[in-house]
Amino acid sequence: AQSVTQLGSHVSVSEGALVLLRCNYSSSVPPYLFWYVQYPNQGLQLLLKYTSAATLVKGINDFEAEFKKSETSFHLTKPSAHMSDAAEYFCAVSKSSGNTPLVFGKGTRLSVIA
Amino acid sequence: NAGVTQTPKFQVLKTGQSMTLQCAQDMNHNSMYWYRQDPGMGLRLIYYSASEGTTDKGEVPNGYNVSRLNKREFSLRLESAAPSQTSVYFCACLRVGRVGDTQYFGPGTRLTVL
Repeated sequence: AQSVTQLGSHVSVSEGALVLLRCNYSSSVPPYLFWYVQYPNQGLQLLLKYTSAATLVKGINDFEAEFKKSETSFHLTKPSAHMSDAAEYFCAVSKSSGNTPLVFGKGTRLSVIA
Repeated sequence: NAGVTQTPKFQVLKTGQSMTLQCAQDMNHNSMYWYRQDPGMGLRLIYYSASEGTTDKGEVPNGYNVSRLNKREFSLRLESAAPSQTSVYFCACLRVGRVGDTQYFGPGTRLTVL
């Protein structure tokens, strides 16, 4: 079985500060890992995904995440927070074979303070 | 190219009423999914369909039925709505790729059951 744990349901950072959102996964097979962002009253938008190529994955809006197998982690970072980054962020895992549903974490709400 | 569309965007039901949530995708993908999103719970899979004519239960299927009408459309039906089904419902489809699969989400349907 696969699962995802997001540490911290709410993270607050100052504008311009580093953003770090934590995600740990559990998977019995090599995983595919995803970060999605949800802006208020909208659907989910893919930020980035890890598919066993490079361990450091770059996504949209200067976000990136690093796959660390030894730590079973896939933390999301951004060097400098912007007000527009305020949203809810979801980490998700699926099996590396095709056509399997995603398993989502419970989400982390990011607030950015001016 | 609208991607994934959902109707309605909002709905209020009384306990015991029935309704069908509609989802359509114009991306010609085989797999489609229905999730519900509740505060602090992340997204939980209700049902999915790997291809036209097939459906499978997800994590929380009780109280729901689905129909994969054709490749484009995947509907979710509540036969007798209950307050516990108050939630935001998301439909998604899956793009299978050489470097990993990606789910694309619709904008959601906000359902309130009184």
